[in-house]
Amino acid sequence: DQQVKQNSPSLSVQEGRISILNCDYTNSMFDYFLWYKKYPAEGPTFLISISSIKDKNEDGRFTVFLNKSAKHLSLHIVPSQPGDSAVYFCAASGQTGGSEKLVFGKGTKLTVNP
Amino acid sequence: SQTIHQWPATLVQPVGSPLSLECTVEGTSNPNLYWYRQAAGRGLQLLFYSVGIGQISSEVPQNLSASRPQDRQFILSSKKLLLSDSGFYLCAWSLGSGFQSFGPGTRLTVL
Repeated sequence: DQQVKQNSPSLSVQEGRISILNCDYTNSMFDYFLWYKKYPAEGPTFLISISSIKDKNEDGRFTVFLNKSAKHLSLHIVPSQPGDSAVYFCAASGQTGGSEKLVFGKGTKLTVNP
Repeated sequence: SQTIHQWPATLVQPVGSPLSLECTVEGTSNPNLYWYRQAAGRGLQLLFYSVGIGQISSEVPQNLSASRPQDRQFILSSKKLLLSDSGFYLCAWSLGSGFQSFGPGTRLTVL
């Protein structure tokens, strides 16, 4: 039972254009969502997050949108740069068990072509 | 500032051999600690997590075990490695806010 889904395993965009990465979740108890970026053979690095009380959070070129009714979030990167090429993981957490576990999607590999 | 260390960075082990991966966190106290595995072509799978010394929760039944002998030390072990244990192992920590920071990872190849 996959609670966080990233249905696109890969995405290719041209430098300077917008990259849109999508993520869907099924558990309505999730109230905090994060995006991580991962290069090969490295640990994931935190990119941006959003709480369920908001529908948008922006940080420089990165914006995350949350649609709670659709249980859907997306990450927009504008403009895309070749250095953005990496695997992007969507993650979700809820206030359960006190452990603050994150549930990750399987990731989307973004390739930004010069 | 907080930092997280993992070693070794890479490891090649024969099937049936034991395993010990170590993770330590600096600059914080009483963190939640996590072990993940990223298998080839797959996402991040949570293996174990710990909210305190000696407290371990296992997420999936498997050939691995974890221990937390000290507040900021988390160890992943196996008595006998399987081919399917190959992957990229990541340690992470958090202070219970939902936000986790990851270590650099260990690439394990079981031959």
